[in-house]
Amino acid sequence: AQTVTQSQPEMSVQEAETVTLSCTYDTSESDYYLFWYKQPPSRQMILVIRQEAYKQQNATENRFSVNFQKAAKSFSLKISDSQLGDAAMYFCAYGGNAGNMLTFGGGTRLMVKP
Amino acid sequence: EPEVTQTPSHQVTQMGQEVILRCVPISNHLYFYWYRQILGQKVEFLVSFYNNEISEKSEIFDDQFSVERPDGSNFTLKIRSTKLEDSAMYFCASREWVAHGYTFGSGTRLTVV
Repeated sequence: AQTVTQSQPEMSVQEAETVTLSCTYDTSESDYYLFWYKQPPSRQMILVIRQEAYKQQNATENRFSVNFQKAAKSFSLKISDSQLGDAAMYFCAYGGNAGNMLTFGGGTRLMVKP
Repeated sequence: EPEVTQTPSHQVTQMGQEVILRCVPISNHLYFYWYRQILGQKVEFLVSFYNNEISEKSEIFDDQFSVERPDGSNFTLKIRSTKLEDSAMYFCASREWVAHGYTFGSGTRLTVV
């Protein structure tokens, strides 16, 4: 079974600065997908960014980018120019091709200081 | 942008009562899911549904739970006899292809008293 680990329960960043959230996973599959979801206080789950394991190029979505290290099974999220609205829980998730569901990490609570 | 819609947003029920949580997935999606999140904890997979049948379920999804797609658009989760520990946020999600990501609804907060 796949496992996803987020080792930082809480992180803090100054507004306009950059922060990196860590995620590691364990799998025996070679083809899979990785996701970062944002959960604001409303508790809705919002897709931030996704990465296909077969792609070497790191995904980027505006201020959000990932550092995907397949050999190390690492998938970190970098948020540049942090904004107050970025404050939320962030969940890393694994989606396999063989399996059907997403497996989530325990989450990282990001606080943004004005 | 297409949305997954969940109703109600909040439900309070007495222990032992049956509850039905409702979801309307995105219309061209083929795979449907229920997840739950106990307050302060991680998001846990309950069940996946494809081609009008359950494709996978977790150990949490015991005989007290059932899912249905009664009319081709709604996707429901029924809990037959609720327990206090069923109190959680329940999320419905749907997807077309894994690469496109999973779209989540805004959740139903279930409180069992």
